[in-house]
Amino acid sequence: QQQVKQSPQSLIVQKGGISIINCAYENTAFDYFPWYQQFPGKGPALLIAIRPDVSEKKEGRFTISFNKSAKQFSLHIMDSQPGDSATYFCAATIISGYSTLTFGKGTMLLVSP
Amino acid sequence: DTEVTQTPKHLVMGMTNKKSLKCEQHMGHRAMYWYKQKAKKPPELMFVYSYEKLSINESVPSRFSPECPNSSLLNLHLHALQPEDSALYLCASSQADRLYEQYFGPGTRLTVT
Repeated sequence: QQQVKQSPQSLIVQKGGISIINCAYENTAFDYFPWYQQFPGKGPALLIAIRPDVSEKKEGRFTISFNKSAKQFSLHIMDSQPGDSATYFCAATIISGYSTLTFGKGTMLLVSP
Repeated sequence: DTEVTQTPKHLVMGMTNKKSLKCEQHMGHRAMYWYKQKAKKPPELMFVYSYEKLSINESVPSRFSPECPNSSLLNLHLHALQPEDSALYLCASSQADRLYEQYFGPGTRLTVT
């Protein structure tokens, strides 16, 4: 019940295209869903996060869509650029209490020039 | 200052060596974390410190010994490691009441020979 399932495992998108990464969760107590971006040899960086009281959050070219009833959330990268090539991890946690992050398995995104 | 710094960047050690990893943050965060990350996998939580006290130990072998000397510093002492302990070791920090919003350092790439 603590799992977060992420897909696809890898993704190739042409420059200017839309990259879409999906995550699904089981634990309905989760109430905070961050996305992390990790470049090779670097630590993960918090990219964008959403709470279940909103269905969408946008920051620049990055948008999280959230479907509470389906227990799914997704990251959309608009106008994808080669510099977006990285591994993306979705995660979930419970804000109150002493809960840590449950990560998805990651998606390797390659944006071709 | 919104950085978490880690030293060294790379470390090669033999199975009989004793070494330490260091992490530092100056964001005033009172929660700090150690994660282990294998290639193409998500980070795995090892330890959590809150207000300089160990609050979570995810059943990590005793050859890994964490230490939090003050609110800005976190060490991970290594002794008698195995080759399978080779990984990227990540430090993260957060405000003590915002465990869900973690900021990662760049990591130490550890190779055990």
